[in-house]
Amino acid sequence: SQQGEEDPQALSIQEGENATMNCSYKTSINNLQWYRQNSGRGLVHLILIRSNEREKHSGRLRVTLDTSKKSSSLLITASRAADTASYFCATEAGGSSNTGKLIFGQGTTLQVKP
Amino acid sequence: KAGVTQTPRYLIKTRGQQVTLSCSPISGHRSVSWYQQTPGQGLQFLFEYFSETQRNKGNFPGRFSGRQFSNSRSEMNVSTLELGDSALYLCASSLSGHNNEQFFGPGTRLTVL
Repeated sequence: SQQGEEDPQALSIQEGENATMNCSYKTSINNLQWYRQNSGRGLVHLILIRSNEREKHSGRLRVTLDTSKKSSSLLITASRAADTASYFCATEAGGSSNTGKLIFGQGTTLQVKP
Repeated sequence: KAGVTQTPRYLIKTRGQQVTLSCSPISGHRSVSWYQQTPGQGLQFLFEYFSETQRNKGNFPGRFSGRQFSNSRSEMNVSTLELGDSALYLCASSLSGHNNEQFFGPGTRLTVL
């Protein structure tokens, strides 16, 4: 079952604009991770945010986590054509029985037009 | 460090056959997880191995199995292939599998005819 629900499902913007993607989940988590996937290839790890963190930055990426609302957002600033890809959030549910198991959302397809 | 590697990259099989996929994790990583990705179901967790032991398993039939070797390399096997097994199979490695980043390989694209 998919724990993460991502919004929007598709996003089309112009180069230089910012892109925001949202993710909601259902259960308590240890962490939430964001990934990028280009055309059915492997997943590229972008950022991990733990349940006790509220915000993290990595280059042009900013991730926020609100555990009270069970939601996260990924902001890509000053987007480039090379950012065109599908973006997934994935949660590691809380508890010791969930080791090594990520539950993925359906993803957001981002198109950045040059 | 070299990334996660998976072999083969592409496979074509027929119904009823079996297949073995291989995954080599990042050096020092002891946890290997496997996922299936299909257009209809998205990314779904298959199982996770740590120190040669399966610690976690997803909701897949017993035709899907795996193992991990002492060098942390892992294999997954699918027996009696069905058309619905056509998918991208991804493995991911992490240091311990608990509250760590998971790094993915390029995947094996399996087509069942």
